[in-house]
Amino acid sequence: EAQVTQNPRYLITVTGKKLTVTCSQNMNHEYMSWYRQDPGLGLRQIYYSMNVEVTDKGDVPEGYKVSRKEKRNFPLILESPSPNQTSLYFCASGTRPGQGGGYTFGSGTRLTVV
Amino acid sequence: KNEVEQSPQNLTAQEGEFITINCSYSVGISALHWLQQHPGGGIVSLFMLSSGKKKHGRLIATINIQEKHSSLHITASHPRDSAVYICAVETSGSRLTFGEGTQLTVNP
Repeated sequence: EAQVTQNPRYLITVTGKKLTVTCSQNMNHEYMSWYRQDPGLGLRQIYYSMNVEVTDKGDVPEGYKVSRKEKRNFPLILESPSPNQTSLYFCASGTRPGQGGGYTFGSGTRLTVV
Repeated sequence: KNEVEQSPQNLTAQEGEFITINCSYSVGISALHWLQQHPGGGIVSLFMLSSGKKKHGRLIATINIQEKHSSLHITASHPRDSAVYICAVETSGSRLTFGEGTQLTVNP
């Protein structure tokens, strides 16, 4: 089944404790991206990647890191999480933008930083 | 002013009604996406448009590039259509900017 798999689905952590949210896709998509969703602010793009070893900042990259060492994986790293990073996070993948495809989204990761 | 504005923010309809959700944007775009988010939180991509019109089942999406406007129509609405519908525009560099969403409730 074609899918984007995010882990974990739920995570509660403490301020300053490094964490990684994993994202993996099995569709050989070149494009992958991370978003956060907050009440009243909607979805906002954090980082995206057009291909292996190519990443770019979205609208809200501060406090986050990403890497794209393999085509299928695009982990989101919070080196020192803070309470304002409490949010619902989505990973998505797609064919290269402009080539006519839509995006496939992961199920989301609900992160709470206390 | 947001780059992407959706209207209405909330919409309640009776089963069978024709529904229209609007999206206006203020920037040059390479494509526009319509997404559906169900109460459980999962997001599904409905359409990607760069011009004209697309149809999938009871859903129709249109875009007018000159007027910077897109509409999502649902014909013969059903309670299972109840969800949040989100418009997103793709700008050069593959950045996505989202509208705040339209909460649709279809009553039986």
